[in-house]
Amino acid sequence: DTGVSQDPRHKITKRGQNVTFRCDPISEHNRLYWYRQTLGQGPEFLTYFQNEAQLEKSRLLSDRFSAERPKGSFSTLEIQRTEQGDSAMYLCASGTTTGEQYFGPGTRLTVT
Amino acid sequence: KNEVEQSPQNLTAQEGEFITINCSYSVGISALHWLQQHPGGGIVSLFMLSSGKKKHGRLIATINIQEKHSSLHITASHPRDSAVYICAGPNFGNEKLTFGTGTRLTIIP
Repeated sequence: DTGVSQDPRHKITKRGQNVTFRCDPISEHNRLYWYRQTLGQGPEFLTYFQNEAQLEKSRLLSDRFSAERPKGSFSTLEIQRTEQGDSAMYLCASGTTTGEQYFGPGTRLTVT
Repeated sequence: KNEVEQSPQNLTAQEGEFITINCSYSVGISALHWLQQHPGGGIVSLFMLSSGKKKHGRLIATINIQEKHSSLHITASHPRDSAVYICAGPNFGNEKLTFGTGTRLTIIP
């Protein structure tokens, strides 16, 4: 257990539905990252927060995706109008300015 | 060409063998991470190193900053070491990770 939790662990949804994932980082960490991993591939960066500010978003993050980190604590990642291509493992990592990152267990999304 | 490349992509070895996984990177990074991912599981950070060598149990990681190359070694490999090993480089400043494609390691009893 790294101290980073994600909820839910698995989500099956029908195409067109909206889904929301939550990440609870290690409490004293000010950085939070979202990554996406498709089957057989390495993870890819989606977005990152320093405290409550979203400082960078990948071009992978289409306008159907939105992420928030209110109060600089937990974060949510919402996908609207899901598509089959959104099926992936969504990983959250909690980090410090020294560069260490601790990963959560991931949320596996399946869009049918 | 990926900014972070690993070799081999797949590796099968007998229990007890010495294992080496290589990582080369072309991005400017502040350090290099070695990560372990079990099937269906989350990612565990094994090492973060910016120079020299680190050791933890049977795992050893080395990095050569000038050559932009890192290696992960496993001594006295065991079936429970079977996993995907991923190297990743954090960008200067925001530390977001660029990942290699991973090496799938299978240790046969």
